[in-house]
Amino acid sequence: QLQLQESGSGLVRPSQTLSLTCAISGGSVSSGDYSWTWIRQPPGKGLEWIGYIYQSGRTYYNPSLKSRVTISLDRSKNQFSLKLTSVTAADTAVYYCARGDGDPRGTYFDYWGQGTPVTVSS
Amino acid sequence: EIVLTQSPDFQSVTPKEKVTITCRASQHIGSSLHWYQQKPDQSPKFLIKYASQSISGVPSRFSGSGSGTDFTLTINSLEAEDAATYYCHQSSDLPATFGQGTKLEIK
Repeated sequence: QLQLQESGSGLVRPSQTLSLTCAISGGSVSSGDYSWTWIRQPPGKGLEWIGYIYQSGRTYYNPSLKSRVTISLDRSKNQFSLKLTSVTAADTAVYYCARGDGDPRGTYFDYWGQGTPVTVSS
Repeated sequence: EIVLTQSPDFQSVTPKEKVTITCRASQHIGSSLHWYQQKPDQSPKFLIKYASQSISGVPSRFSGSGSGTDFTLTINSLEAEDAATYYCHQSSDLPATFGQGTKLEIK
C-alpha cells in the first residue's frame, strides 16, 4: 500500500522560502508514469493544485504560483520536494502531497499524505 | 482556467436519505471529472474517477454520473460516517481545479 508523508518547516517568516518534503513508502518515485503532486488548503477553504513532477523530471505548475514554485525529485531518497519562495500570509495552509495517475482524459489524485500545516508569520 | 461550481454549499440530511451533489464546469470537460471526500482534520479520499468509474474499496452507495459540463455525485442510503465535505476536480486542462466543496451534515 502506497503511503506518503509530508515533513518540513511548520512556521515560515514572510518573504522567506517554504520547504517541504514528501517521503514515499510502499512504492517508488521512479516507477510508473505517475505525477508527484502538491496541493494546498488554506484554513477553512477549498483545495488548490500547486503543481506536479513526473519521473522524467518534467514539471507543471499552477500559473498563479509558477514564478515562486519549484518541485523536484530525489530518487536516492525516494521522495519529492516543494519550495515556495517569497511567502506571505496568503500561503498559510495545510500542504498535501499526492500521487497523480490517469489516462489521456487527465490526472486524478488517488493517494494523499496526511497533510502538514504551514503558517507564515513573523 | 476551468471553474467548477458545486451545489449546494451545505446540506443537512438524515441517515438512509439519498443525497445528490452537483458540479458544473465553466466549459466542456468530457468525462474528466473526479470526486473526493474530506472528513474533518483528514486528507481527501478518492471516491470516483472519470465522472462515473468506481474506485476499489469505496462503498457502492457512492456513484457518479454526467459528462460535458454537468456532473452529479449520488450517495444512496446515507450513513452517519458520510458526514464530510465533498469536492469535484477537473483534469481536462491545466491548471487542475477543484469545486468549492459541499459540506454534508448528518442530522
